[in-house]
Amino acid sequence: DAGVIQSPRHEVTEMGQEVTLRCKPISGHNSLFWYRQTMMRGLELLIYFNNNVPIDDSGMPEDRFSAKMPNASFSTLKIQPSEPRDSAVYFCASSYSSLGYNEQFFGPGTRLTVL
Amino acid sequence: AQSVTQPDIHITVSEGASLELRCNYSYGATPYLFWYVQSPGQGLQLLLKYFSGDTLVQGIKGFEAEFKRSQSSFNLRKPSVHWSDAAEYFCAVGPFSRGSQGNLIFGKGTKLSVKP
Repeated sequence: DAGVIQSPRHEVTEMGQEVTLRCKPISGHNSLFWYRQTMMRGLELLIYFNNNVPIDDSGMPEDRFSAKMPNASFSTLKIQPSEPRDSAVYFCASSYSSLGYNEQFFGPGTRLTVL
Repeated sequence: AQSVTQPDIHITVSEGASLELRCNYSYGATPYLFWYVQSPGQGLQLLLKYFSGDTLVQGIKGFEAEFKRSQSSFNLRKPSVHWSDAAEYFCAVGPFSRGSQGNLIFGKGTKLSVKP
C-alpha cells in the first residue's frame, strides 16, 4: 500500500492567493483527519471526516479555511485568501473506524509558506 | 479539558545509552495513550499505544512505555539508543469515547538528538 498521499509536498505562495492541499487516504479507510503543525502551537486537529461526512470542524481557524471530501479516496483543504500566519506543515491522516480505536496513519505533510 | 504535557523540549543522549521521554496527561478517566515518532521531513509513525490491560506496552523499534495512573504518566523508554532514533517524539491522548474516531490531542513533542 502506498500509504496516505499528500500533494503538493511544498507550496510557496503569496498572501491573498488561494491554496489547495490534497490528500488521498489509504484504501479502505473511512476516517480522514487534517492536522496543522507549527512551532508555536504544535500539532492541532483542524477537521475530521467519517464516511466522507465532516464530524468535527471546530479546529478550523476561520472562514478562510474549508475542507471537502467528495468521495472516500480524496479530500481537499483550501485556504482562501491565504495569510503569512497560515505558514505551517499540514498533515492528512486516515484510519479505519470500528468499535475500538484504530491507528491513524499520517501522510508526509505539505509544507506551506505564505509570503 | 484534556491536555498532554511533554516537559522536555530537547534531549540529547549518547548512542547506546538508555532513554526515557516523559509524558503527562490530564483527563478524567482512563484515556487511550499513544506515542508517535516523526523523522525529519516525514509524517508521524505510531510507536505504540495503550488502551487497557497490562500497563507496560511494547512497541516497534525496541521502544516500550509504561502507563502509571497514579502519576497520570505514560513515559517512553528504550534501553539502548541508536543513532537512527534521532527524531521528534509525540505523546498523544484520545479519542474520548469508545468507538469514537475523534481527534487525538498531541503534546508539543520532544526532540531527541543522539551523540556518537
